[in-house]
Amino acid sequence: GENVEQHPSTLSVQEGDSAVIKCTYSDSASNYFPWYKQELGKGPQLIIDIRSNVGEKKDQRIAVTLNKTAKHFSLHITETQPEDSAVYFCAALGYGNEKLTFGTGTRLTIIP
Amino acid sequence: GAVVSQHPSRVICKSGTSVKIECRSLDFQATTMFWYRQFPKQSLMLMATSNEGSKATYEQGVEKDKFLINHASLTLSTLTVTSAHPEDSSFYICSASGRGRDGGGYTFGSGTRLTVV
Repeated sequence: GENVEQHPSTLSVQEGDSAVIKCTYSDSASNYFPWYKQELGKGPQLIIDIRSNVGEKKDQRIAVTLNKTAKHFSLHITETQPEDSAVYFCAALGYGNEKLTFGTGTRLTIIP
Repeated sequence: GAVVSQHPSRVICKSGTSVKIECRSLDFQATTMFWYRQFPKQSLMLMATSNEGSKATYEQGVEKDKFLINHASLTLSTLTVTSAHPEDSSFYICSASGRGRDGGGYTFGSGTRLTVV
């Protein structure tokens, strides 16, 4: 089955700087890669996703890059703000599969 | 956008009682619902997958007689924790995918904090 690894587990960034979180996956057939933001006591919220036919996707301060050959994808947050502080999870969905496999999460702290 | 409503957000119950958690898709038809359990500072652990009108498929190690899942309609799924014990205390989250949902992805509910005393 699919295995998703996520690094780092914790990340502290000065406000205004950029944050990068990386994930690797094992199933080369995976074709959908969402990123979720989870605030304390709440459910995960989709912030951006990418499909395997695209190498990069951007939405304002958030971007995701995908390297299918290396089987890794990354979340990039620029101009970080205090409200970006949360736990971020990457996930992967295999072709023909309906179950997401989640990474272990990254606790991002933005230092004012 | 797609919205999944989950209730209650918090519940405290006594050992031995049962608790029902509801998950509703408000603006799309949820053909598939997923139920997760999350321990503090850990990732989401999939408990079961349910398709509308059919029995749920449970992940290995999840007791189906303890965690009853019903997905009787395209907009509602329920998780009932039967004969709850303190070790069942956790954060339970539902997720839905289906027809009419933007992007064909997965939408999560806001979670239910269950405390068994």
